[in-house]
Amino acid sequence: DGGITQSPKYLFRKEGQNVTLSCEQNLNHDAMYWYRQDPGQGLRLIYYSQIVNDFQKGDIAEGYSVSREKKESFPLTVTSAQKNPTAFYLCASSLTGNTPYNEQFFGPGTRLTVL
Amino acid sequence: QQQVKQSPQSLIVQKGGISIINCAYENTAFDYFPWYQQFPGKGPALLIAIRPDVSEKKEGRFTISFNKSAKQFSLHIMDSQPGDSATYFCAASMTGRRALTFGSGTRLQVQP
Repeated sequence: DGGITQSPKYLFRKEGQNVTLSCEQNLNHDAMYWYRQDPGQGLRLIYYSQIVNDFQKGDIAEGYSVSREKKESFPLTVTSAQKNPTAFYLCASSLTGNTPYNEQFFGPGTRLTVL
Repeated sequence: QQQVKQSPQSLIVQKGGISIINCAYENTAFDYFPWYQQFPGKGPALLIAIRPDVSEKKEGRFTISFNKSAKQFSLHIMDSQPGDSATYFCAASMTGRRALTFGSGTRLQVQP
C-alpha cells in the first residue's frame, strides 16, 4: 500500500532530551512537510523540503531540526531547546512541478508528551 | 502575515441539515484553497479543493463557494450525516510556497 508512515505513534520524553520522529513515504513525492497541531488549533508548519538535501524553515522552526538525505524520508528532531514540545506532530508529502493541485497527503501522526 | 481565519470554532447540526463553515484570508497571492477533514487521533485527509478562477466546486454532498473579491471561501455540507462528525480545516497555499497555511479548525457534530 502506498502512503505515509510515522513512528512511533506515541512518544514520551523527559525534559532536556532530544527525540527524533520518523516519517517515511512511498508515494514518490518530492516535497515533504512537518506540522505541529495543538489542541483546538490548526496545523502550524515547522519545516518543509521540496528536494533531497534541501529544506526550509516554516513558521515555528525554533527548537526543531530536520534532515532530508533520502527522497522517501524526512525525520524531525525535537531538541531540548523547544520550550513546549507536547503536541501532535504530522508529516505530509506532495508532488511538485506542474501539478494542478497541491494535494498534501498526511501521515497518521505522532503524539509527543514531555514528562 | 499569512493568515487564514476560520469560523465557527464548533458547530452542531441535525442529521439531514446543512453545515456551513467559513474562512477568510489576507494574502492575495494564495491560489489554492483546500478543505481537510480530520477524525480524532488521525491525520487530516483532503476533502475538496478549489482554485480562485472558479466561484464554486461541488463534489457529492460537499461544495466550496469562493468569493475572490471578499477574500472568503466556505464549505457547505448538504444532508449532513453523523459520519461527517469530525474537525474540518480550511487551508491556503501559493505557487512557489506549497506548504499550507491552515485555519484553526471547526469541530462539527452531527446529531442523529
